[in-house]
Amino acid sequence: EAEVAQSPRYKITEKSQAVAFWCDPISGHATLYWYRQILGQGPELLVQFQDESVVDDSQLPKDRFSAERLKGVDSTLKIQPAELGDSAMYLCASSLVGQELGFGADTQYFGPGTRLTVL
Amino acid sequence: GQQVMQIPQYQHVQEGEDFTTYCNSSTTLSNIQWYKQRPGGHPVFLIQLVKSGEVKKQKRLTFQFGEAKKNSSLHITATQTTDVGTYFCASSSGGYQKVTFGTGTKLQVIP
Repeated sequence: EAEVAQSPRYKITEKSQAVAFWCDPISGHATLYWYRQILGQGPELLVQFQDESVVDDSQLPKDRFSAERLKGVDSTLKIQPAELGDSAMYLCASSLVGQELGFGADTQYFGPGTRLTVL
Repeated sequence: GQQVMQIPQYQHVQEGEDFTTYCNSSTTLSNIQWYKQRPGGHPVFLIQLVKSGEVKKQKRLTFQFGEAKKNSSLHITATQTTDVGTYFCASSSGGYQKVTFGTGTKLQVIP
């Protein structure tokens, strides 16, 4: 069964350092999502790509976070500089179409996540 | 943006007891999805409801979408230890289907 791949699985860094996370969605999925999940809370959407274009980044702290999906396949999320409050699980998800299909939302498939600890 | 609240936040049940989590919104939802996240794992899609009053079942799990499409529930009959995890409701909106997750209900099953 095809899965969303993410790396690294765990990352420990010191504040003010730069970190980068990578995501490879399920082959053929046009839509890619980056979520941040703080312990004990639900995932919060940071950025959504439709192919290589950003269609929603309203919750992305743009002063320190950036995301790209240059060829419309895999994606990188970067934080520079990292702050203590960035410690969380960063989840990547993908879906086939991502747009309203007339019968509800397209199913999202999540990767295993990257757990970031900022010291 | 839309907000989706879930209750309870935590639930401990004896194995074999039933469990229900509720999802509420102040606005009408176009759809509701339910996800399960095992401890240390990632969210896994369970089901989606789109019609007013819709009820769907998956083995011991029953999902319901309210008549006004402002609330939903997930009911588990005769819980098992494999049901342990956090259950999230979520809803999408907009042309690109931005998904907003609820606060989650953490279920602990005592053997």
